[in-house]
Amino acid sequence: AQSVTQPDIHITVSEGASLELRCNYSYGATPYLFWYVQSPGQGLQLLLKYFSGDTLVQGIKGFEAEFKRSQSSFNLRKPSVHWSDAAEYFCAVGALNTGNQFYFGTGTSLTVIP
Amino acid sequence: GAGVSQSPSNKVTEKGKDVELRCDPISGHTALYWYRQRLGQGLEFLIYFQGNSAPDKSGLPSDRFSAERTGESVSTLTIQRTQQEDSAVYLCASSLGRLAGDETQYFGPGTRLLVL
Repeated sequence: AQSVTQPDIHITVSEGASLELRCNYSYGATPYLFWYVQSPGQGLQLLLKYFSGDTLVQGIKGFEAEFKRSQSSFNLRKPSVHWSDAAEYFCAVGALNTGNQFYFGTGTSLTVIP
Repeated sequence: GAGVSQSPSNKVTEKGKDVELRCDPISGHTALYWYRQRLGQGLEFLIYFQGNSAPDKSGLPSDRFSAERTGESVSTLTIQRTQQEDSAVYLCASSLGRLAGDETQYFGPGTRLLVL
């Protein structure tokens, strides 16, 4: 069955520290992978996506993610976190050739402390 | 408009009443999705439209939920005889769709539904 797992429900990091948010997926087809961010009271904003090609993708706000097929992972990283990065982060997986069902993880809540 | 819009932004209703939620997708986007997000939880897929047909209705939680779409534009999600457990944020997203080879979904701000 298709699924997306975000093992960390909540993460706290200090401002300026590095960040890695984990995402693991189970998908029968070649996956398309996404990271979205949801700030309090806001809609979901696309951070980055992976369709094919270079497995390290760059997104907005200084985020990047690496697709590792062997580990079925698509972890999100940022070298230096800013206080404005505090938000909920969702990983999602979908595929063109199996319909348009998208699967979202349950989210990771990020707190940034001064 | 430039993005996906949803109305109303907030809706308070009494248990047992019907509600209609509206979504205006990005112009030219053939695919449209509805999700439900309960407080503190992830996104729950409800239904997907390609054009005005809905090949995947698997996520609709009960027969009280229905959705329709006019052509490749506006969609409405209707919840009949609302229950308190229907309280959630209902998110709409649109994408260029399968034929365009880009499944990236762009989300609206959501409708916050509270059933008293």
